[in-house]
Amino acid sequence: GAVVSQHPSWVICKSGTSVKIECRSLDFQATTMFWYRQFPKQSLMLMATSNEGSKATYEQGVEKDKFLINHASLTLSTLTVTSAHPEDSSFYICSASRTSGGTDTQYFGPGTRLTVL
Amino acid sequence: GESVGLHLPTLSVQEGDNSIINCAYSNSASDYFIWYKQESGKGPQFIIDIRSNMDKRQGQRVTVLLNKTVKHLSLQIAATQPGDSAVYFCAENGDSGYALNFGKGTSLLVTP
Repeated sequence: GAVVSQHPSWVICKSGTSVKIECRSLDFQATTMFWYRQFPKQSLMLMATSNEGSKATYEQGVEKDKFLINHASLTLSTLTVTSAHPEDSSFYICSASRTSGGTDTQYFGPGTRLTVL
Repeated sequence: GESVGLHLPTLSVQEGDNSIINCAYSNSASDYFIWYKQESGKGPQFIIDIRSNMDKRQGQRVTVLLNKTVKHLSLQIAATQPGDSAVYFCAENGDSGYALNFGKGTSLLVTP
């Protein structure tokens, strides 16, 4: 149990285009999902916290108009990178929070590799 | 700002030996700690977690130790196997109590 999927697993796009990444919790409902970005040989950096039915909470320095997050259901959150540029190339990882026994545990998706040309 | 850090960026061990990966955290408000394993090109995989009301927790071949006095966390892997080769991250819930702050990561390399 506690499987999180992401789609696509990788995407290459031209500079200036927008890219949508989906994050799904397959076997549990997640009120809260998180989006992270990871550059090569670096740690995961939290971008935003996505709550079902409400606006996402963005971390300092993350542009909310550039990284649009929608959490329309308890099993799906989407991240749209608008007007992507080469510096947005990164590994984007989502996680979904599952509550069990009074403990919230984050389960991560496999990540999406974005390359902007 | 406060952060989670690791003492060693890389660790090389021989197959069958025990591995110890260390992590220092600075946020005294953190009460939940997790170790994740990340293989190349994949998302982090949950290994084991511990709450601040405990100082030790054991799983299958893994043990997490928490020393709140010195704000130190460690992951012990018994009888390390080649499949254990990966980057290991510690994470803590910090001020939010919910969102995770990740450490820098330790690359574990298991040699035959």
